[in-house]
Amino acid sequence: QVQLVQSGAEVKKPGSSVKVSCKASGGTFSSYAINWVRQAPGQGLEWMGGIIPILKAANYAQKFQGRVTITADESTTTVYMEVTRLRSEDTALYYCAREDGTVTPAGGYLSYGMDVWGQGTTVAVSS
Amino acid sequence: EIVMTQSPATLSVSPGERATLSCRASQSVANNLAWYQQKPGQAPRLLIYGASSRATGVPGRFSGSGSGTEFTLTISSLQSEDFAVYYCQQYNNWPLYTFGQGTKLEIK
Repeated sequence: QVQLVQSGAEVKKPGSSVKVSCKASGGTFSSYAINWVRQAPGQGLEWMGGIIPILKAANYAQKFQGRVTITADESTTTVYMEVTRLRSEDTALYYCAREDGTVTPAGGYLSYGMDVWGQGTTVAVSS
Repeated sequence: EIVMTQSPATLSVSPGERATLSCRASQSVANNLAWYQQKPGQAPRLLIYGASSRATGVPGRFSGSGSGTEFTLTISSLQSEDFAVYYCQQYNNWPLYTFGQGTKLEIK
């Protein structure tokens, strides 16, 4: 049974960077996707990006291109998300979520939804 | 980017009654749609994937339907634990996903 455990809360200054980790246990790490979803206070869910370790490539929502980097360390079954040039609007609860699915022969991904979520990491950006 | 629009923003229903939540995509997403439930202070929970397949452990009173651009989540007989916020999410445009803005289901 897959479990995701995220790193602890962070308080950051505007303009700085933050790196949040998501350690997976159980399952076959490399073959499923890990996504990052954030939720600003009182707001809805926002997909930021994701990675499938076996494909060794991350993908990002256009809004976060160039400012967010998602990486995976297969040796420690940990996925990282780094956000640079932080601003107050980045204050949010950040979740990692395992997306069950199958890599297709064409290099795509047949998804069965995000079925396992981390506990969330609060990132507060304030001067 | 595919925009997902949920309606209504808030739905007031009495326990035991049926609730119907809607989700519309700005372009076809085939059946690549999921529904999530989120309660205060908790992470989202996957309810439905593939527009109509229930995730493991999800009660039978939850059902999803639709394809293309119009989708519905139906809760047949509301229980107290079902009052929460519900989100739809498209994954047709892999690997670029989007969520709807959510529907809050509240007790009438």
